[in-house]
Amino acid sequence: DAKTTQPTSMDCAEGRAANLPCNHSTISGNEYVYWYRQIHSQGPQYIIHGLKNNETNEMASLIITEDRKSSTLILPHATLRDTAVYYCIVRVGNDYKLSFGAGTTVTVRA
Amino acid sequence: DADVTQTPRNRITKTGKRIMLECSQTKGHDRMYWYRQDPGLGLRLIYYSFDVKDINKGEISDGYSVSRQAQAKFSLSLESAIPNQTALYFCATSDFGPSTDTQYFGPGTRLTVL
Repeated sequence: DAKTTQPTSMDCAEGRAANLPCNHSTISGNEYVYWYRQIHSQGPQYIIHGLKNNETNEMASLIITEDRKSSTLILPHATLRDTAVYYCIVRVGNDYKLSFGAGTTVTVRA
Repeated sequence: DADVTQTPRNRITKTGKRIMLECSQTKGHDRMYWYRQDPGLGLRLIYYSFDVKDINKGEISDGYSVSRQAQAKFSLSLESAIPNQTALYFCATSDFGPSTDTQYFGPGTRLTVL
């Protein structure tokens, strides 16, 4: 699986959009970008995934650059409950393996 | 995710005891997984099962065994618990398709081995 690079931490103001970047310059054509998050000591929560088109669901939007070497997860209106570690994972879509790196610790402040 | 449940949520046991952690899912998924997470570390795969008759070792299976009693149930056993098995344990299921396999996790079991 391609490696990813994420900032170690970032802060966001409550009610504002949170934009989480992820670099994956070695991504292969059959690899998807997945995002998960883990709120302290809870089970990881699936957020969204995409191959090359931008995706949106009830939780977030995923913007993938045209060359697919980077992506951005957007939480449109961050709340205190969005404080968590966010993981960007690049993997072959139907591979059972799921490797979590260090992720980005996002702190939403009132 | 309420569709994946784990019992117990917390367990304290003593060295040498046998314990079982249980996982149930109502998502109708064939694939199920057991992970452990140690403080400050990522998740490591213990065992995984693609269906009731297909069980496979993950990267850290020593000291653990599993049982897939039904499509919806996947249990993890520690035959003789030791202190370094103190960790958070997560069960997951996945929605396997032609091109994607998205995993959904349970709330976790916090296990302490004294």
